[in-house]
Formats: sequence, structure tokens, C-alpha cells
Amino acid sequence: AQSVTQLGSHVSVSEGALVLLRCNYSSSVPPYLFWYVQYPNQGLQLLLKYTSAATLVKGINGFEAEFKKSETSFHLTKPSAHMSDAAEYFCAVSDPIQGAQKLVFGQGTRLTINP
Amino acid sequence: DTGVSQDPRHKITKRGQNVTFRCDPISEHNRLYWYRQTLGQGPEFLTYFQNEAQLEKSRLLSDRFSAERPKGSFSTLEIQRTEQGDSAMYLCASSPRGGPYNEQFFGPGTRLTVL
Repeated sequence: AQSVTQLGSHVSVSEGALVLLRCNYSSSVPPYLFWYVQYPNQGLQLLLKYTSAATLVKGINGFEAEFKKSETSFHLTKPSAHMSDAAEYFCAVSDPIQGAQKLVFGQGTRLTINP
Repeated sequence: DTGVSQDPRHKITKRGQNVTFRCDPISEHNRLYWYRQTLGQGPEFLTYFQNEAQLEKSRLLSDRFSAERPKGSFSTLEIQRTEQGDSAMYLCASSPRGGPYNEQFFGPGTRLTVL
């Protein structure tokens, strides 16, 4: 069965500092991987996705993630944090179901930005 | 396109009452998903529709839960005889026909509180 582990339920960085959110996956099939962001009282918004086309994936708002098969990882990074990046971030792996894919999410990482 | 909408946004009910939530997907998206998110956790898959057919149900979906998607457009999720453990955010997502890495677009969710 597919699963995702996000290391660190809370991450705090200073404005302008590097953001690194960790995600490790387990998948019995070639994985499709996603990062979603959730702002308070809102639904989830897709940041980026890995679909096997390229191992380094660029997303919205300056985020990017690198797929490393040997490490079964898909960590999310951003070179310089902005106050507006404060939110909950979820890593997810796709799991085949009849006719489609469901998403299996990690527990989430709450990102706090210090001024 | 206005995105995925859900109604109501908040619902407070007493234990034992029945509740019904509605989801309107993005028009022409034939795939519709329901997820449940409890505090401090990532969303968990509940059920999936392709057009009007319910093709997948999680074991999380007890017999008190029922979902429909008549005519393949909007969907409803009903919980009968609510329990305090049902308190959660219920998220709806939709995606278009196509490959396994198609983005799922999420609605803002319905937050259920069972007293």
C-alpha cells in the first residue's frame, strides 16, 4: 500500500531563510507525488506534482521539489521564505483505484515564518 | 469557472442527528472525491465517483455514511446518527477525465462539529 511520512509536524524559519519540508514515500508502483498547501479555513491548493517527466519539479510561489528514488524522498524547498508562505503543507502519493487515483496524504507540516 | 464549492461551510449538530453536505464540482469534471480531515491530520480518502457511479469506498465509510452523485453533477454526503467522532472537515475534490496524475481540485470543505 502507498504511504507518506512527513518528518516534522512543525517547521519554523525566519523570513528570507531557506524552507525545507521533508517527505518520504512508500509505493508498490511507480509513484506520482504531490505537494499541496492549505491556508486556514481553506481547501487544498496544488503546489507541484511529480509525474516522472523530470526529477526536479518547479511549482507555484517559488517552491520546488526533487524526486530521489534511491532515498524514496520528495522534499519541498524554497530558497527564501516569505511571510505569506505560512500555512500547512501536505505531501501526497497517488494510489490506483478503479478508474482513477486516490491521494494518500502525510500528516502535514505547519510552516511558521518569523519576521 | 468558480471552482469546487461546498455547502454548508460549517455545521454544528447534536449527537444522533442526521446531516447532509453538498459538493458542486468544476463543471465537466467527471471524477469526484470525498475526503475527511481531522485536526492535525492529513485528509483521508472516503469515496470516489466517476460520473454517477460510485466506484470506490474506503473502509472508513461506515454504514452510517452514504454518498450519491445523481446525474453525475453535484454530490451529497449524508451521515446518519452522528457521533462525536464524526467531527471533522469534509473535503470534496474533482478532477477531469485523463491520466493518473491529473490534479484534484479541492473545495473549501465543510467543518462538522458534533456536540
